[in-house]
Amino acid sequence: DVKVTQSSRYLVKRTGEKVFLECVQDMDHENMFWYRQDPGLGLRLIYFSYDVKMKEKGDIPEGYSVSREKKERFSLILESASTNQTSMYLCASSWISASSGNTIYFGEGSWLTVV
Amino acid sequence: AQTVTQSQPEMSVQEAETVTLSCTYDTSESNYYLFWYKQPPSRQMILVIRQEAYKQQNATENRFSVNFQKAAKSFSLKISDSQLGDTAMYFCAFMTFNQFYFGTGTSLTVIP
Repeated sequence: DVKVTQSSRYLVKRTGEKVFLECVQDMDHENMFWYRQDPGLGLRLIYFSYDVKMKEKGDIPEGYSVSREKKERFSLILESASTNQTSMYLCASSWISASSGNTIYFGEGSWLTVV
Repeated sequence: AQTVTQSQPEMSVQEAETVTLSCTYDTSESNYYLFWYKQPPSRQMILVIRQEAYKQQNATENRFSVNFQKAAKSFSLKISDSQLGDTAMYFCAFMTFNQFYFGTGTSLTVIP
C-alpha cells in the first residue's frame, strides 16, 4: 500500500513562529502536493512539486514556502505563523505516468492551531 | 480554468438505503480523470472510485457506482445499501495534466 506520512498530527504554535510540516511518501512518486482544508472551502492547493528541487505555486501560496531536497520528502514552511493559518494541512503524492491511473494519495493530515 | 462544483453541502440517508451525491465540473480539456474521495472522521482521505473520461462505461466498486455524463460534465456518486461506515465527507475531484481540482465536499451522514 502507498503510504504518505505526515510527521505531526496536531500542532499548536504561537503567532510569529516558524513552522515546519514534514511529509514523506514511500512509493517513488514524482508529484507531491500541499493542500489546506477549511470547512466550506474544500481543498485548496498551496504548492506542488513535480521533481526534486522543483516547485510550483498553487492557488494560495502567500505566507508559505516549500522544500523538496529528496524525492520522497516534501516540507511546508510557514515563515511567520499567523492566526489565519490555523487549518488542516494535507500532504499528497502521485505518479506522473498516465498508465498509473493518476490517483492521488493523501497523508492523515496535520491540524495546526496558531495562537 | 477547471472547476468542480458539489452543490449539496450536507446529506443524510437511512441505513441500507441508496443515496446519490452530485458533482459537476467545467473544463475545456478532452483527456482527464474523475475521482470520488472519502474522508471519514479519522481524516484519512481515501479513494472511493475513479473514472477515465475516455471510457463511456460507468465505473463500479462494490456498493459504489458513478453516473458519468461527459456532455453534461456531470459525475455523480451512488452509494447503495448505505452503511454506518459510509458516514464521511465526500470530495469529487478532477485531474488533468497532473493537476487535481477538488470540490468543496458533501458531508454524508448515515442514520441507523
